Amino acid sequence: EADIYQTPRYLVIGTGKKITLECSQTMGHDKMYWYQQDPGMELHLIHYSYGVNSTEKGDLSSESTVSRIRTEHFPLTLESARPSHTSQYLCASSEGRITNEKLFFGSGTQLSVL
Amino acid sequence: QKEVEQNSGPLSVPEGAIASLNCTYSDRVSQSFFWYRQYSGKSPELIMSIYSNGDKEDGRFTAQLNKASQYVSLLIRDSQPSDSATYLCAVTLSGGSYIPTFGRGTSLIVHP
Repeated sequence: EADIYQTPRYLVIGTGKKITLECSQTMGHDKMYWYQQDPGMELHLIHYSYGVNSTEKGDLSSESTVSRIRTEHFPLTLESARPSHTSQYLCASSEGRITNEKLFFGSGTQLSVL
Repeated sequence: QKEVEQNSGPLSVPEGAIASLNCTYSDRVSQSFFWYRQYSGKSPELIMSIYSNGDKEDGRFTAQLNKASQYVSLLIRDSQPSDSATYLCAVTLSGGSYIPTFGRGTSLIVHP
């Protein structure tokens, strides 16, 4: 079944640790995205990718990095976690056609940095 | 001014009523408009998309787009308690990237 998967679902980690949030999709979509969402707030774009070897920064990208070595895989890395990184991280994908940017979301990773 | 604005609510309607959710956007050249539903603790899921002026109906949902006035709305007919969720408006703004920009969402409560 075509889907988009995120792991871990929940993560509690100490300040200063390096973490990688995993995202994989089996829909063959070209475009993938990372959004950050705090409770009751809008989704903020962190990074996105048009396809393999393509990565672009969004609004909140300065403290994280992404890679796109394979079409289906788009991991997000925080080099040094801080309490301000505590949030919900949502991965999404879309077909990539300009007039059809319907996003499909993973289940999200709830990150808590102590 | 935010690029995509929604009243955060909550909007409370009785079961069986019509719920009307509104969204305004700042970019006149926006092309694509979406409504996502997000249950508490869950991820957003797409429920409607609309690309041209007018109404688009899908079951109990109707999306309405007015590009001249720069607003898009979502009507939910015969509202059910299971419709209680946050509804996110997303707009693909001009500028080349065609990345959807999300509003803050409107919380809808349908009470029996």
